Amino acid sequence: NAGVTQTPKFQVLKTGQSMTLQCAQDMNHNSMYWYRQDPGMGLRLIYYSASEGTTDKGEVPNGYNVSRLNKREFSLRLESAAPSQTSVYFCASSEGRGAGGYTFGSGTRLTVV
Amino acid sequence: AQSVTQPDIHITVSEGASLELRCNYSYGATPYLFWYVQSPGQGLQLLLKYFSGDTLVQGIKGFEAEFKRSQSSFNLRKPSVHWSDAAEYFCAALSGGYQKVTFGIGTKLQVIP
Repeated sequence: NAGVTQTPKFQVLKTGQSMTLQCAQDMNHNSMYWYRQDPGMGLRLIYYSASEGTTDKGEVPNGYNVSRLNKREFSLRLESAAPSQTSVYFCASSEGRGAGGYTFGSGTRLTVV
Repeated sequence: AQSVTQPDIHITVSEGASLELRCNYSYGATPYLFWYVQSPGQGLQLLLKYFSGDTLVQGIKGFEAEFKRSQSSFNLRKPSVHWSDAAEYFCAALSGGYQKVTFGIGTKLQVIP
C-alpha cells in the first residue's frame, strides 16, 4: 500500500533556482493538495485540485505553480526559489472534499540558501 | 473567520498517565472535525473524525475525542499514554461547502518515563 508518494525527500536549492516537487497517489482519489509546514504555523494550503484538470489557490500560493498531470499525479513547481520558501512540503489526497480525512505523503524538506 | 485553535503548544505527561489535548473551532455551523498525529520526520496520519452522531468518537491507537457543541470544542483523550505516543498532534476542521481543511498549529506531546 504505497498511498501518497512524494519525491524528493530532501532538497537544497540556491536562491533563484527552480525545481518541481512530485506527488503521486494510488488510491484513486479525486482531490489532491499541497501544504507547507513551518514551525509555529501549522499547515498552510498552497494549492489544491478538486479533480483532474482543475486547480485552485489556497492560503499561500505566491511563488508556486501546480499541475494536475492526471488523476494520480499533482506536482508543485517553484520557478525562482527564495529563502522564505524553506519549509517542509506535504502532498495529500482525499476522496471528494475530504470529509473522510486526508492521506498524507511523508514530505519533502526543502532548504533554499 | 473560520479558525481552529490549539491552546497548548507543548505538553509533557508521564508514561501511563492520562492525556487530554484541547481543540476549539470557530465556524458558523458545525464542521467536520479531525485529529491527526505526526511522528518526527513523517507525514500526518488520521487518528479520528467527527461530523454527526455520537459525540464521543473512537479512533486508532487507543485515542478518543469528545465533541461539545456548547464549548465549540473537540478534545482528544487517551486513558494511558505510552512512550510511542510522543508526537505532534493536529486538530483540523472542514466546513460544509468548502474544499479546504483548516489545521491548528499543533500540540507537541512529550512522554517522560
